[in-house]
Amino acid sequence: TQLLEQSPQFLSIQEGENLTVYCNSSSVFSSLQWYRQEPGEGPVLLVTVVTGGEVKKLKRLTFQFGDARKDSSLHITAAQPGDTGLYLCAGYSNAGGTSYGKLTFGQGTILTVHP
Amino acid sequence: KAGVTQTPRYLIKTRGQQVTLSCSPISGHRSVSWYQQTPGQGLQFLFEYFSETQRNKGNFPGRFSGRQFSNSRSEMNVSTLELGDSALYLCASSSLIGTQRLTGELFFGEGSRLTVL
Repeated sequence: TQLLEQSPQFLSIQEGENLTVYCNSSSVFSSLQWYRQEPGEGPVLLVTVVTGGEVKKLKRLTFQFGDARKDSSLHITAAQPGDTGLYLCAGYSNAGGTSYGKLTFGQGTILTVHP
Repeated sequence: KAGVTQTPRYLIKTRGQQVTLSCSPISGHRSVSWYQQTPGQGLQFLFEYFSETQRNKGNFPGRFSGRQFSNSRSEMNVSTLELGDSALYLCASSSLIGTQRLTGELFFGEGSRLTVL
């Protein structure tokens, strides 16, 4: 069974601070995705990283995929109250046809950014 | 274009009852996945359907079942409800084909929140 360990579980910071969320596994993933979920809504995709060592930037958010494709990180620069939400990492396994529609999710990081 | 629609949004059942949840995917999407989200376990995969066929199944008991219709709409059913089945049930649709199954985006609905008393 593939697992994704996400940390920290909770993060409470002031507006303007930087933060990093980590997503680690002992298994190799074909790709890792980061989703953001707000209360009362379903998760929404932020980014997909596919290649080991890949770095993607989305405005103030920087995503990195580990060289061995077993881990990923999300870094937010100068956090804003609008960044508040549940951040989830998720990965597709390498297991061929058994991966259809099946994402393995981390436990999530609840981020609160105070004005 | 319209997003993924799930009904009902909220429902309350008692132990032993059964429940059916419905999901209408984004137009053109033929793959529908179901997930259970709880505070303790997070998001866990239930099953995935494509063209009315279940292609993938998670580690849930047989009380959890699903089906997909020819118009790609999907339903999931939970029989003999237990207190632990209280959760947010999320449906996701996608157009995953071929190698996209390893990288493709899932589009989630807002979920059906089930409370079992």
